[in-house]
Amino acid sequence: QIHLLQSGAEVKKPGASVKVSCKASGYTFSSYGITWVRQAPGQGLEWMGWISAKNGNTKYAQKFQGRVTMTTDTATSTAYMELRSLRSDDTAAYYCTRDTQIFDPQYGYFDLWGRGTQVTVSS
Amino acid sequence: DIQMTQSPSSLSASVGDRVTISCRASQTIISFLNWYQQKPGEAPKLLIYAASNLQSGVPSRFSGSGSGTDFTLTISSLQPEDFATYYCQQSYSSVNFGQGTRLEIK
Repeated sequence: QIHLLQSGAEVKKPGASVKVSCKASGYTFSSYGITWVRQAPGQGLEWMGWISAKNGNTKYAQKFQGRVTMTTDTATSTAYMELRSLRSDDTAAYYCTRDTQIFDPQYGYFDLWGRGTQVTVSS
Repeated sequence: DIQMTQSPSSLSASVGDRVTISCRASQTIISFLNWYQQKPGEAPKLLIYAASNLQSGVPSRFSGSGSGTDFTLTISSLQPEDFATYYCQQSYSSVNFGQGTRLEIK
């Protein structure tokens, strides 16, 4: 069965970091990219960035440049998204998605989604 | 940056209705436009890719059309399970989503 299994909910204090994992199964991990999308409570979808599961190349949304790092571990078919210097407005559900683009996020779409990881930032 | 604007932001309709949702890009995105459906408490689901291609497993009552800057998602005959929020997404220049269209039961 093809799916993306995300790590569990997190509660963090402002200024801390969070690292969310996304384990792929049922398909060849290195044949796709992974895109991360977040959704604040009651809000729309926001693209955070993309990583190639083949070569580890990344592209991040300008908004998150310098604060986010996306990585992959091909041995375990797992993608990671680390967000640093957390603020209250980072409170959101974070989704990993399978991106059809392997070398660049251009022209891609997201055909498989994880169930989301809730990250709450609160003092 | 390309801005994606969906209309309407919300819509009330009845089972069996034909519904159209529009998505407009601030500049041409050729046909690199995708549509997603999201139900409360769930992850989004891909419906249409590259403007008009139906994702495997998606009912044929869903269809997409358009090119350039103007795109449409059509549901030919609403079913109870179709009441959800719909998002368009472009990937021609960077990636971003429309603000969403909430489809509610009339």
